[in-house]
Parts: sequence; structure tokens; C-alpha cells
Amino acid sequence: NFMLTQPHSVSESPGKTVTISCTRSSGSIASNYVQWYQQRPGSSPTTVIYEDNQRPSGVPDRFSGSIDSSSNSASLTISGLKTEDEADYYCQSYDSSNQVFGGGTKLTVL
Amino acid sequence: QLQLQESGPGLVKPSETLSLTCTVSGGSISSSSYYWGWIRQPPGKGLEWIGSIYYSGSTYYNPSLKSRVTISVDTSKNQFSLKLSSVTAADTAVYYCGLGHLGAFDIWGQGTMVTVSS
Repeated sequence: NFMLTQPHSVSESPGKTVTISCTRSSGSIASNYVQWYQQRPGSSPTTVIYEDNQRPSGVPDRFSGSIDSSSNSASLTISGLKTEDEADYYCQSYDSSNQVFGGGTKLTVL
Repeated sequence: QLQLQESGPGLVKPSETLSLTCTVSGGSISSSSYYWGWIRQPPGKGLEWIGSIYYSGSTYYNPSLKSRVTISVDTSKNQFSLKLSSVTAADTAVYYCGLGHLGAFDIWGQGTMVTVSS
């Protein structure tokens, strides 16, 4: 089984750009799609990125995803930060029989 | 618009079995396009995948929980269920059901809090 490691927290100012990383411990990050979920306090998670870099309808194009095989990691980038982006963000991927979530990153927009 | 709703006891005694049901509305649970899963979140902690069941009936469970978990589908009621046996306080969490597609959980229920306590 593999793990996905995220920074515990990140913070940035409104209008700036922030990137959250998600590193896969074993197996290639490119071998299975990576998803990113946003979770606001008291709410269920919602998808902001699926299949590495695809945005569901309704998610602003300020959200983008990418993968980097050299570091075996995925990244979520949020540009033009707004206070409403303050939330927990989780990456998620899978292999042939398991689904795995990262530990989550708390984004503070201050 | 497909929606999911969890239901079940909010309090379970230690060593007993936690049983939850997820009711699917706005679509058929028999669709071969999707799979159905359970995810939990202990208070103040992150998300943990519990397991998933596919259209074929195949089930996959988190290795750390596999010995205690059973997920099943009742197509007649458009529901799927979770049973977690021999619970302890460590199983206290918000339990979510989810619809999966191509490796992602596209739709989540609102979650239900389950506390393990005597």
C-alpha cells in the first residue's frame, strides 16, 4: 500500500498564489489519477480537481492541478486567493485495490 | 441530480457492530458506471477510506480495517450498507458515503456522526 503526504498547513494573502503538494510514497504518481477535494468546516468534501488536472463544472479556473513524475508528486495551485478559499484540502489517489487520501492541508488566507 | 444520505445509530457501544445505510436518490444504484464507498473522518482529523463496492459485487477494503468491515448493496431499496464490527473509541468519526467514478468520489453524503461509548 502507498501513502500520500501533504504539508499540514499553508498560508498566503488574498490575491496571491499558493501551491499544495501531495507526494506519493511508492508507485508512480502518473500511474493513477489524482483528485483534490476541498472541505470547509462542518461540510462534506467537494471535488475541485479530478483526473490530475480537470476541473468540475462550477469550480473557478483559479484552481489547477498538475503532476510531476520527477518528484513523484501532485500539486494543487490556487491563484488569486480569496478568503472563501480558506479550507482543508485533501489529495486522493488509488491503485488496483485501494483508495488513499492524503492527510490534508489547512489553507489559511490572511 | 443524484444524492446520497447516510442513516444509522449515532451511538454504538464498544465491542458491538456499527451499521450504517446510504440511500441513493435521483439515480439507480445498479448503474455499471459507478462504484459506492464509505469514508470516515475522526473529529479534527483527516479522511480515511473504509472500502468500496462495485457494480459487479466486488468489494475492496482498507487493509487496516479489512478484518472488521463488510459493505453490501440492496438494489431493491437502492441502498448500500456498512458494517464495522468490534468497534472501539478509535472508530468514533463522521461517516460519509460516496459515489465513485474513475477513481474519484464525485458525490458525497452529508455525513453522519457515530460515537463509540458505553
